[in-house]
Amino acid sequence: NAGVTQTPKFRILKIGQSMTLQCAQDMNHNYMYWYRQDPGMGLKLIYYSVGAGITDKGEVPNGYNVSRSTTEDFPLRLELAAPSQTSVYFCASSTTAKGADTQYFGPGTRLTVL
Amino acid sequence: EDQVTQSPEALRLQEGESSSLNCSYTVSGLRGLFWYRQDPGKGPEFLFTLYSAGEEKEKERLKATLTKKESFLHITAPKPEDSATYLCAVQSSSNTGKLIFGQGTTLQVKP
Repeated sequence: NAGVTQTPKFRILKIGQSMTLQCAQDMNHNYMYWYRQDPGMGLKLIYYSVGAGITDKGEVPNGYNVSRSTTEDFPLRLELAAPSQTSVYFCASSTTAKGADTQYFGPGTRLTVL
Repeated sequence: EDQVTQSPEALRLQEGESSSLNCSYTVSGLRGLFWYRQDPGKGPEFLFTLYSAGEEKEKERLKATLTKKESFLHITAPKPEDSATYLCAVQSSSNTGKLIFGQGTTLQVKP
């Protein structure tokens, strides 16, 4: 199993440009998540999905969009990139054990908006 | 509001010098408390899940414990390869699937 994979690893955008961060998992997990991590701030949840066709907002959803057409893929779309979106983005997926969901993370995408 | 606070922010140890990292939490019904390890430039790596007060889990030099208000990650006789940022997160019974993370503790173990 590859686990959770993310592409690209690094990206530089200009203000106003758009891009899609890709995330895929091969563990047949229903739950998938997108987080951003800023220095000293911990991880903040952007969007999450409990299954194909179902998505919901997390703590910091403004400026982002998601879709979930398959169990395996959960892309994150940035429209009109802004410097405040400079961050490291992590995708995660989870299984449920004893009622608590253990989340497994991808390697991250480092995004800089100039 | 669910909240997680980790202390200290940074910790420097000599190889073999045991210590503990703290994770204090407030949550409306705990479903699980998670510990992750994160190396620079990498994604968080799952270490432990604790479900109820009194529970303990061990992995090599790491031992995690849980009370009703906090969790400790005890590091016994650490080695330089234990250097990393350790993240604590909680999942509440009212927010299925969502994790609330602390800011992390960055551990440096010097040889």
